[in-house]
Amino acid sequence: SYVLTQPPSVSEAPGKTARITCGGNNIGSKSVHWYQQKPGQAPVLLIYYDYDRPSGIPERFSGSNSGNTATLSINRVEAGDEADYYCQVWDDTSHHVVFGGGTKLTVL
Amino acid sequence: EVQLVESGGGLVQPGGSLRLSCAASGFTFSSYEMNWVRQAPGKGLEWVSYISDSGTPMYHADSVKGRFTISRDNAKNSLYLQMNSLRAEDTAVYYCARNSEDGDNFDYWGQGTLVTVSS
Repeated sequence: SYVLTQPPSVSEAPGKTARITCGGNNIGSKSVHWYQQKPGQAPVLLIYYDYDRPSGIPERFSGSNSGNTATLSINRVEAGDEADYYCQVWDDTSHHVVFGGGTKLTVL
Repeated sequence: EVQLVESGGGLVQPGGSLRLSCAASGFTFSSYEMNWVRQAPGKGLEWVSYISDSGTPMYHADSVKGRFTISRDNAKNSLYLQMNSLRAEDTAVYYCARNSEDGDNFDYWGQGTLVTVSS
């Protein structure tokens, strides 16, 4: 089955750019979606189809996808961005949804 | 306003059964594919099941195949998850999540219902 690999944690200082990667075999050929989950809350769709943002999501959040790595970038990181971030794809072969293991973002 | 409200969680013994429900409102339920996603305490998200807008096809994660069944009643705007032969590792918050109109991402989530499998 298809596997998505995320770093367990990423730390960045306020005002800097945080990058969270999502690795998968030829993930560039798939559509990648990203979710943000804050403690005690349901996940929120952050980025869909690699780089699109739902209405209400700040432009500071952006995505890219190529080769074996998709990346979520958060510009001008703020304390309020501390959360767990998950990447997700649809695996056509197994007809399964696949989530990455999640990355905890800490704002220093 | 789109709302998804899960119910039916609780404490159940290993080997027992439970039926979760998700009441949908604020959108045309019969036009959307739906899913169940779970999250064990302190762990990441795990997709559980998918159902098309009409009710078929349905897909289940390997970890629950043969034990869990997803279903829906479009007349009642409701999604269900029948869980049988429950195990300790099924302990999790269970979320219902709506597929977006244009594809395989989840644009709305409920707040979740906790299922605890323990003797």
